Amino acid sequence: DAGVIQSPRHEVTEMGQEVTLRCKPISGHDYLFWYRQTMMRGLELLIYFNNNVPIDDSGMPEDRFSAKMPNASFSTLKIQPSEPRDSAVYFCASRGPSYEQYFGPGTRLTVT
Amino acid sequence: DAKTTQPPSMDCAEGRAANLPCNHSTISGNEYVYWYRQIHSQGPQYIIHGLKNNETNEMASLIITEDRKSSTLILPHATLRDTAVYYCIAREVGNEKLTFGTGTRLTIIP
Repeated sequence: DAGVIQSPRHEVTEMGQEVTLRCKPISGHDYLFWYRQTMMRGLELLIYFNNNVPIDDSGMPEDRFSAKMPNASFSTLKIQPSEPRDSAVYFCASRGPSYEQYFGPGTRLTVT
Repeated sequence: DAKTTQPPSMDCAEGRAANLPCNHSTISGNEYVYWYRQIHSQGPQYIIHGLKNNETNEMASLIITEDRKSSTLILPHATLRDTAVYYCIAREVGNEKLTFGTGTRLTIIP
């Protein structure tokens, strides 16, 4: 298995632009998680899905952030408009049968 | 989920066993202990988990005290590639969320 796949690996954008991060979970995993990691706040859970349905989005920082999972093999995290404080590494993870989570390589986002 | 406490950093000589402690004195009977690690610039990696029995897999061993108030992750023969931040997390049954703390930064010394 290829593991969790994220794209792009790096994204540099200007403040105010829309950013879309993509994730393909491990096949057969029915839970998908989006995390954000910064030096100041560490690794934070933003939202998670079960069977493509958002279950808990309490970690989403504000309305500029949205996430979708149109099917079992694809999810997006969108930031519109982006701000410099959104600069972080964003991780996607999917869950295995023993509640263990498998993380992707992350997308490093820089907003200038 | 119970709060976990870990030392901020540790060193270990290459080839020796690395023993990483975790305190979870308020853990409840239905909370598992999970260990993850994060190598620099990579996503976190699942290592092992347990409830009350000791566990072993190809990566590590997990020793949980009888009162379940603390645990130790053991990397039996540490290599330079084991240099990473190690996170100990208590997860309640039925709770999908993982709350990552600051972890232990383990440095393997050649």
